[in-house]
Amino acid sequence: GENVEQHPSTLSVQEGDSAVIKCTYSDSASNYFPWYKQELGKGPQLIIDIRSNVGEKKDQRIAVTLNKTAKHFSLHITETQPEDSAVYFCAALGGSGGSYIPTFGRGTSLIVHP
Amino acid sequence: DGGITQSPKYLFRKEGQNVTLSCEQNLNHDAMYWYRQDPGQGLRLIYYSQIVNDFQKGDIAEGYSVSREKKESFPLTVTSAQKNPTAFYLCASARPGYYGYTFGSGTRLTVV
Repeated sequence: GENVEQHPSTLSVQEGDSAVIKCTYSDSASNYFPWYKQELGKGPQLIIDIRSNVGEKKDQRIAVTLNKTAKHFSLHITETQPEDSAVYFCAALGGSGGSYIPTFGRGTSLIVHP
Repeated sequence: DGGITQSPKYLFRKEGQNVTLSCEQNLNHDAMYWYRQDPGQGLRLIYYSQIVNDFQKGDIAEGYSVSREKKESFPLTVTSAQKNPTAFYLCASARPGYYGYTFGSGTRLTVV
């Protein structure tokens, strides 16, 4: 089955810096890659996603890039703000067998220092 | 506003008791899911349902049960057979196909 590795597990940045979280996946057939943000005590929220026919997608300060050859995708947050502090999860789905069940990474705790 | 509602937010259970966590959505989503999250851990799939009156076991179904009698509702029962039930439980729903989840706000279950 699919395996998703996410790094780093913890990321500490100063306000205004950029943050990058990386995920690798194992199933080359996976075709949909969502990212979720989970604030303390709340459920995760979908913040951006990318499909395999696209190499990059942006939404204001966040962007996601996908390298299908290398089987990795990354979340980029520019001009970080304290409210960006949260746990971020990547996921991959659509792999062999066409499963609609995502395989999640283990999460990255992002801390933005004012 | 459309969304997914989990209740209660906090739940305390005595050992040996069954408890039921509620999950209701008004998004008209066909698929619904239950995940367990332990401190510092990722998301582990308990059960999922892609259509009314049908559901499938996930990776950690032992000690849990579900029903899907209505499209809008997917309650999770944590039975006394679950040896370590203290955790944060998340319900999610999704449209058919490759789309992201909408998650509820979670229920924190504590065994006392």
